[in-house]
Amino acid sequence: SYVLTQPPSVSVAPGQTARITCGGNNIGSKSVHWYQQKPGQAPVLVVYDDSDRPSGIPERFSGSNSGNTATLTISRVEAGDEADYYCQVWDSSSDPYVVFGGGTKLTVL
Amino acid sequence: EVQLVESGGGLVQPGGSLRLSCAASGFTFSDHYMDWVRQAPGKGLEWVGRTRNKANSYTTEYAASVKGRFTISRDDSKNSLYLQMNSLKTEDTAVYYCARKNANDAFDIWGQGTMVTVSS
Repeated sequence: SYVLTQPPSVSVAPGQTARITCGGNNIGSKSVHWYQQKPGQAPVLVVYDDSDRPSGIPERFSGSNSGNTATLTISRVEAGDEADYYCQVWDSSSDPYVVFGGGTKLTVL
Repeated sequence: EVQLVESGGGLVQPGGSLRLSCAASGFTFSDHYMDWVRQAPGKGLEWVGRTRNKANSYTTEYAASVKGRFTISRDDSKNSLYLQMNSLKTEDTAVYYCARKNANDAFDIWGQGTMVTVSS
């Protein structure tokens, strides 16, 4: 099965830039989606297809994907961005073919 | 308002069965593939399975961990998605979310989740 690897935690001060990585074999050839999940709430899609934002998601959220690493970048971090973030891909050759990363806890210092 | 609302969770003994429902509103339910995703307490997200739409013969796919025990179905006339869970194990304890798959293979709409606890 395809494996996505995320750091368990990332810490950043308010106003700074947070970068959350998602590693996978040749992940640059796949479309990567990112979800934000706050405690007790359902996940929310924040970036899809590597770098597109759904309507209503601030421009501060952006994504990139190349080689073996996809990255979610959150600029000008706010206290309200503190949450768990998950990357996800679809891989038709994998079982399961919908794969989530293990999640990264973003802490705003 | 586009919305998904799950129901049917609860406490069940190991080996028991439970049926979850997901009611959709605010969009054309019949057009979309629909998935179930679960999250064990304190853990990450785990894909459970999918049902495709009528145009794709309502075919289903499952994660290996639930294949043969769980069945996903839908009733487009009722804008509803279902998850029949049989032979439940303690490791099936989780919050179960229904989610809409968009054209980009991302899950753009999620329900609020329903808790399933498998315990004696």
